Amino acid sequence: AQTVTQSQPEMSVQEAETVTLSCTYDTSESDYYLFWYKQPPSRQMILVIRQEAYKQQNATENRFSVNFQKAAKSFSLKISDSQLGDAAMYFCAYLETQGGSEKLVFGKGMKLTVNP
Amino acid sequence: DSGVTQTPKHLITATGQRVTLRCSPRSGDLSVYWYQQSLDQGLQFLIQYYNGEERAKGNILERFSAQQFPDLHSELNLSSLELGDSALYFCASSVEGGYQETQYFGPGTRLLVL
Repeated sequence: AQTVTQSQPEMSVQEAETVTLSCTYDTSESDYYLFWYKQPPSRQMILVIRQEAYKQQNATENRFSVNFQKAAKSFSLKISDSQLGDAAMYFCAYLETQGGSEKLVFGKGMKLTVNP
Repeated sequence: DSGVTQTPKHLITATGQRVTLRCSPRSGDLSVYWYQQSLDQGLQFLIQYYNGEERAKGNILERFSAQQFPDLHSELNLSSLELGDSALYFCASSVEGGYQETQYFGPGTRLLVL
């Protein structure tokens, strides 16, 4: 089974600064999908960004970008120009697919604090 | 707003009871997933349905069951509730399921078992 590891349980960043959240995963597949989800205090799970393993280009969504290192099985999230609204739990997830079924395998999450 | 709805938002019940959580997927989505988020287990996949049929099962207890109806809404039934079942239960949906699609999550149902 695939596993996802987020080794830093908490991080903090100053408003307007840049922060990088780390994630590693384990898989024997060559084609797969990775996601970052954000969970603010409302507890809603919000999709931040998605990366397809066969694409060499790192995904970006406005202030959010990833550094995808396939050989190292690393998938970090960079948040630029951090805003107070970025404060949340962030979860890295691997999409496990098998014979028409799918499930997300999540890391334990990381709590991001944004200081004004 | 993801377009996935879940009811109720909060549920407080007693041990031994049975509850039903309801989920309506995004318009056009055929696949529904249930996840449990608890303090000790984190976010765990429970079960996937596609167009009324069960597709995949995860760490779902025998006391729990689910189904997806012809109108594509889904229900998660939790019975003989224990204190440890207190958690946030999420429903997610995707268009097909099985084609490496993004799953969009509902707001969750917070269950407290006393």
